[in-house]
Amino acid sequence: GAVVSQHPSRVICKSGTSVKIECRSLDFQATTMFWYRQFPKQSLMLMATSNEGSKATYEQGVEKDKFLINHASLTLSTLTVTSAHPEDSSFYICSAIRGINEQFFGPGTRLTVL
Amino acid sequence: GQQLNQSPQSMFIQEGEDVSMNCTSSSIFNTWLWYKQEPGEGPVLLIALYKAGELTSNGRLTAQFGITRKDSFLNISASIPSDVGIYFCAGLAMGAGGTSYGKLTFGQGTILTVHP
Repeated sequence: GAVVSQHPSRVICKSGTSVKIECRSLDFQATTMFWYRQFPKQSLMLMATSNEGSKATYEQGVEKDKFLINHASLTLSTLTVTSAHPEDSSFYICSAIRGINEQFFGPGTRLTVL
Repeated sequence: GQQLNQSPQSMFIQEGEDVSMNCTSSSIFNTWLWYKQEPGEGPVLLIALYKAGELTSNGRLTAQFGITRKDSFLNISASIPSDVGIYFCAGLAMGAGGTSYGKLTFGQGTILTVHP
């Protein structure tokens, strides 16, 4: 089946630093990827839609200058959390669309900001 | 915006029991999806429903797409300890031009605990 990977699986960083998370579709091309954020025991919250070759579309309330998204190729989207603060600590999950509507999720990245 | 109400929020059951959870929406969805998420992992697709009234099974799992397109249920029969996890429903609405753009709306999740 389709596989979506994320790297790193977990990262710990100091407050004020920037962190980059990669999302790759391993066996299919994805023109559209999504980035979600999930707090413990809560549902997934969509942050933004990443479109290959164009700017990402951010959901209301998500700061685009803080969460930079780059979808540089059909198999890779990156999320950079800039000037991270402890409140940015969360589980970040990406998903990728294969074909029209098949959506596969990555394993997630646990970000802890000290 | 669209919201999905998923219930129950949590379930504590004995191994071998059947489980039922459901999602309702205030608006119509064209696709209903059920995912399972284990701690520290991303959601894994269990069942996808594409047509109103559709009833689909995947092993011990059965899900139905409500006829009104505003609800769906998931049943798990003869539960086993490895069924533990959080189950999410998700809806996909069709946008202008017949495309969905893939934006899923998720339910709040049902935390399932199975006692051996």
